[in-house]
Amino acid sequence: EPEVTQTPSHQVTQMGQEVILRCVPISNHLYFYWYRQILGQKVEFLVSFYNNEISEKSEIFDDQFSVERPDGSNFTLKIRSTKLEDSAMYFCASKQSTSGNTIYFGEGSWLTVV
Amino acid sequence: AQTVTQSQPEMSVQEAETVTLSCTYDTSESNYYLFWYKQPPSRQMILVIRQEAYKQQNATENRFSVNFQKAAKSFSLKISDSQLGDTAMYFCAFMKLDNAGNMLTFGGGTRLMVKP
Repeated sequence: EPEVTQTPSHQVTQMGQEVILRCVPISNHLYFYWYRQILGQKVEFLVSFYNNEISEKSEIFDDQFSVERPDGSNFTLKIRSTKLEDSAMYFCASKQSTSGNTIYFGEGSWLTVV
Repeated sequence: AQTVTQSQPEMSVQEAETVTLSCTYDTSESNYYLFWYKQPPSRQMILVIRQEAYKQQNATENRFSVNFQKAAKSFSLKISDSQLGDTAMYFCAFMKLDNAGNMLTFGGGTRLMVKP
């Protein structure tokens, strides 16, 4: 069964460093997402991406965050200058179409900022 | 904006018994989807079941079924014949159908423990 894959599974970074989290969505999917889950809290929407541009973003997704689909298969989340409060599990997800199909999640990238 | 509320932070059930997890939501939309996702200790988000708001029939997937009450904005998950592998965090989620990102709004989760 096709799946969303994410790398790395776990990354530890120094505060202030840049981090890039990578995702390969399911191949025929058109909508891509990043979600975040701080330990013990609910899953929060960060950003959605369609047709090579951001379609929606939350208040969390400020100027330190950016997304890119550099080569038609990868979908990346960049955090420019990490803060301690960026420590969380970051989930990539994808969806096939506009018709409300299910959003499928990757296994997550656990980011620890020290 | 949509909100999703799961009023049961934790629940437990004996193996082979049935358990029902509650979820309510608030929206002014008429066209939407509802989901239950399971998050085991591995923390992966796994789809359990999906319900389209326009369908009156409740969705079922093997041992999992929902009770969808659109007027009451209620969407509960029933797990029959509970198994040890059902131990996980369960999240209810809402998806508005629009021309934007179709983002999911999650509830706070219910931690389910299945006891042998």
